[in-house]
Amino acid sequence: DTAVSQTPKYLVTQMGNDKSIKCEQNLGHDTMYWYKQDSKKFLKIMFSYNNKELIINETVPNRFSPKSPDKAHLNLHINSLELGDSAVYFCASSFDRGGGYTFGSGTRLTVV
Amino acid sequence: GESVGLHLPTLSVQEGDNSIINCAYSNSASDYFIWYKQESGKGPQFIIDIRSNMDKRQGQRVTVLLNKTVKHLSLQIAATQPGDSAVYFCAEGSGYSTLTFGKGTMLLVSP
Repeated sequence: DTAVSQTPKYLVTQMGNDKSIKCEQNLGHDTMYWYKQDSKKFLKIMFSYNNKELIINETVPNRFSPKSPDKAHLNLHINSLELGDSAVYFCASSFDRGGGYTFGSGTRLTVV
Repeated sequence: GESVGLHLPTLSVQEGDNSIINCAYSNSASDYFIWYKQESGKGPQFIIDIRSNMDKRQGQRVTVLLNKTVKHLSLQIAATQPGDSAVYFCAEGSGYSTLTFGKGTMLLVSP
């Protein structure tokens, strides 16, 4: 029944690996997002995506790529993982690109 | 009291007190503002929002005040309860831009 669900909740992996985090929303929203939360709890936008356009935060390394098979899903693929990628990643969704977002419960990624 | 250190600013209050969490925003063109609550191990959860043409909005036990002159936002929680302990974020947005989040304040409520 969860509105925005992410899997996995925890992900521990070695440097250099490629991994994906999945996100699904059942709210009928048309825009989805990925945020990165660092150890100081700062939330930083990585991507926003609706069926018209993908907006990429220019500070995000191109090792990160969002993939959207349909408007209810926005997965995050990360190539060549680095130690600094360790963080909590949150998926969110909203109607259009405005107003309140509904967040998933987060994926804690630890790169060792 | 409130403290700012190397980590998250923290506000410690006693159960039953009123809490005030402050936020300075950066974009004078922002036309709406939202407060989120993030409990440990969970994602941010919407609490209340306010549009830039308002200076006050009330919800259940919460009030948001907006001062556009000094670009300041506050969240007041009445009769704070232990369940209110969390990290609180303000976020600003305009038009179709993505939300930009502030740095967060940890609220600790002791019984």
